[in-house]
Amino acid sequence: DTAVSQTPKYLVTQMGNDKSIKCEQNLGHDTMYWYKQDSKKFLKIMFSYNNKELIINETVPNRFSPKSPDKAHLNLHINSLELGDSAVYFCASSQPGVYPETQYFGPGTRLLVL
Amino acid sequence: GIQVEQSPPDLILQEGANSTLRCNFSDSVNNLQWFHQNPWGQLINLFYIPSGTKQNGRLSATTVATERYSLLYISSSQTTDSGVYFCAVSPSNDYKLSFGAGTTVTVRA
Repeated sequence: DTAVSQTPKYLVTQMGNDKSIKCEQNLGHDTMYWYKQDSKKFLKIMFSYNNKELIINETVPNRFSPKSPDKAHLNLHINSLELGDSAVYFCASSQPGVYPETQYFGPGTRLLVL
Repeated sequence: GIQVEQSPPDLILQEGANSTLRCNFSDSVNNLQWFHQNPWGQLINLFYIPSGTKQNGRLSATTVATERYSLLYISSSQTTDSGVYFCAVSPSNDYKLSFGAGTTVTVRA
């Protein structure tokens, strides 16, 4: 039973298209995150939601819009895709304030923009 | 923001060898985690270790919070240990994890 799942696993699309990535966690955590891993493997946080409320919003183009319909789900919608958006996007979840404050990652969504 | 430096950037090991990976960070932290990203891209949490020492099988980790560094030890390495090892930290009162650039480990049979 997967703790943090993402769909789709692979996404190949043309520049200018709009796409969404979905994430679900069954760990009962209050906090969920989106990270971007670039071609050099560098991981950087994009957004975080705590109980459906946005708490972290890094310097990300406003073409990226996260949405959390409930605390178990966090989706990422990307408008007008650009070549530079090609990356692996990871969803994660954690329960802050409860030891250990481990973040659990999903399998990643590999996005390729052509 | 907090800076995280990992060394070495790359490590090639013969199966059975031991190794130590280092993570230095620039500010006090309340969260430090070590992750292994396997060749299939999956990020697996190894340790949650903002201070102290922990062991899990052939892996162990030590964080000296007052001196702002953490070490990950791999003993009797196996080919399945290959991948990228990341250190990630967050400062006090911050949920945000900042990742180091990783150490790429290749274990040869």
